[in-house]
Amino acid sequence: GAVVSQHPSWVICKSGTSVKIECRSLDFQATTMFWYRQFPKQSLMLMATSNEGSKATYEQGVEKDKFLINHASLTLSTLTVTSAHPEDSSFYICSAPHRGGEKLFFGSGTQLSVL
Amino acid sequence: AQKITQTQPGMFVQEKEAVTLDCTYDTSDPSYGLFWYKQPSSGEMIFLIYQGSYDQQNATEGRYSLNFQKARKSANLVISASQLGDSAMYFCAMRDELIQGAQKLVFGQGTRLTINP
Repeated sequence: GAVVSQHPSWVICKSGTSVKIECRSLDFQATTMFWYRQFPKQSLMLMATSNEGSKATYEQGVEKDKFLINHASLTLSTLTVTSAHPEDSSFYICSAPHRGGEKLFFGSGTQLSVL
Repeated sequence: AQKITQTQPGMFVQEKEAVTLDCTYDTSDPSYGLFWYKQPSSGEMIFLIYQGSYDQQNATEGRYSLNFQKARKSANLVISASQLGDSAMYFCAMRDELIQGAQKLVFGQGTRLTINP
C-alpha cells in the first residue's frame, strides 16, 4: 500500500536553532501534502497545505516565517521550524493524498522538543 | 465552517465486546467525506474507514463499520469483537475542501479507547 515516510521521528534542539522535518511519499506522487500539529492529548490541527512548485497555503494564525514549507518535488515536502522556542515543542505530522485524494496517508510523525 | 464533535473523551470496554465510538458533524456542503483514524501511542495515524456523503450503504472494513445516519449527521464507528490491540486514540474527521484533488481534513477531539482483558 501507499506509504508516507517522515523523518526524523523525534528531535531535541536548543532554543533558537532551526529544525527541518521531511515528508516523502514512497510509492506515489503527491502534488499536495498537509502538515498538522498535535499538542499532547489534543486533536490534530492543520498548519498548512504544501503545494508542489508553488507557495504553501497557511492556516489562519500560523506564522509563515516561523514554519517554512518547501515542496520541491512530487515526492518530498519539508517543514522547517525556524528559530525554535519551547512553545514550538509539539508533535508534527504530515499527510499525502493517494489516488484522487479519497484516502489520506500519514507519516509516522515527528516529536519536537525545544529546550 | 465544518465541524466534527466527539463527545466521549474516554471509553473502557471488555475484550471481545463490541464498541461504538460517537461522531457528529455539521456542514452545509451536500458533498463531503467522513473518515476514522486510529492513533496508537506511537503517534502514527492509521486510516480505518471512509464514508462518502452519497454512499448508499454504510462502509465496512473488516471489524470496522461506520453507522452513517445522514439525517442525524452522525458517523459512529463500530468495532466488533474488540481486541487488546484496539487500545488507542480514535479520531473522526471530515473532508474540509477539495484542493487539487486532495482533501484537507478537519478532526474531532478524539476518543481514547481502552480494551480491558
